[in-house]
Amino acid sequence: DQQVKQNSPSLSVQEGRISILNCDYTNSMFDYFLWYKKYPAEGPTFLISISSIKDKNEDGRFTVFLNKSAKHLSLHIVPSQPGDSAVYFCAASAWETSGSRLTFGEGTQLTVNP
Amino acid sequence: DGGITQSPKYLFRKEGQNVTLSCEQNLNHDAMYWYRQDPGQGLRLIYYSQIVNDFQKGDIAEGYSVSREKKESFPLTVTSAQKNPTAFYLCASIRGDAGRTEAFFGQGTRLTVV
Repeated sequence: DQQVKQNSPSLSVQEGRISILNCDYTNSMFDYFLWYKKYPAEGPTFLISISSIKDKNEDGRFTVFLNKSAKHLSLHIVPSQPGDSAVYFCAASAWETSGSRLTFGEGTQLTVNP
Repeated sequence: DGGITQSPKYLFRKEGQNVTLSCEQNLNHDAMYWYRQDPGQGLRLIYYSQIVNDFQKGDIAEGYSVSREKKESFPLTVTSAQKNPTAFYLCASIRGDAGRTEAFFGQGTRLTVV
């Protein structure tokens, strides 16, 4: 049962344009969402997050939007730069009796072309 | 500098052998996690520990074992019972404040069965 899904395995955009990465989830108990960026053979690094009480969070070129009714979130990168080329993982967390755990999507490979 | 250290970066194992992956953190986080990444797949949770001397199975725990004798350390043993051990393994420690969960990852260990 894949509770967090990223349906696009890859995305290619031109430098300077907007990149939009999408993520859907099924568990209504998720209350915190994060995006991670990962380069090959390295650990993921935290990018941006959003609490379920908000619908938007912005940090420089990165903005995350949350639509709770649709159980959908998206990451916008504007303007896109070649250094943004990486795999982007969406993650969600819900507090459980045993503590909080993160569930990840499959990832989307973003390629920004010069 | 605070962080998470995984060792070794590359590991080769013969079929039928057990092997232990090291994960150490000095972030003073209570929770530590092990994930596995396979090509084209997301990060799948193997085991996690919210507190010393306690741990829970994740989604793909079969063939793995862990211990949590110290807060700073969460080693993962890949046993001979694990059918497909070749993968990229990621350790994370999690800062789990109320309503906010953020994972900090190590650089990963690439395990190859030869």
